[in-house]
Amino acid sequence: NAGVTQTPKFRVLKTGQSMTLLCAQDMNHEYMYWYRQDPGMGLRLIHYSVGEGTTAKGEVPDGYNVSRLKKQNFLLGLESAAPSQTSVYFCASSKHRVATLGSSSTDTQYFGPGTRLTVL
Amino acid sequence: SQQGEEDPQALSIQEGENATMNCSYKTSINNLQWYRQNSGRGLVHLILIRSNEREKHSGRLRVTLDTSKKSSSLLITASRAADTASYFCASMNTGFQKLVFGTGTRLLVSP
Repeated sequence: NAGVTQTPKFRVLKTGQSMTLLCAQDMNHEYMYWYRQDPGMGLRLIHYSVGEGTTAKGEVPDGYNVSRLKKQNFLLGLESAAPSQTSVYFCASSKHRVATLGSSSTDTQYFGPGTRLTVL
Repeated sequence: SQQGEEDPQALSIQEGENATMNCSYKTSINNLQWYRQNSGRGLVHLILIRSNEREKHSGRLRVTLDTSKKSSSLLITASRAADTASYFCASMNTGFQKLVFGTGTRLLVSP
């Protein structure tokens, strides 16, 4: 059981280049998330998905696109990288939220190890 | 910004002492969670407290929640050098879909 994995671990891009970050989870989780972490700012949500084939914008979605074609994978794309996108990117997943309030343990998010991206 | 805030930003203590971190959030919540992040690693879930709970314990961790003040605190008792990490609170909004993270507290526990 690998949990949440991210590929690649490190990447250096030049301004204007594109790339895709891959997140994979083997826990059969419905919900998946992409965050970026910058010094002194904690984690900020970029995009998220509540199920296969669905995506939604988070707090800082501009400049990013996502796809969730398979339940276990959540891809984050940068079409034209900018220096402001230099950051550490974390993927996370959580179980499907059931209707009853007694299941709040499903809200726990499991994080990947992160991808350190530098845009020159 | 929806981000919550944590206080202090950094905390330095000796092994055996207690560490207290505070968190404030902005919206109505269903639950509040605390996560730990070791340097260069992903976040790991520590404890979750629901909006109808006021206090919760897990091992050396004690979490309180005051929804009237939109605040929470994390107490780590009898700290160890291995507790050195950054600690983040995260509030789950009443829509149940998103966590909003605080800015984090960097804890340094010296032997």
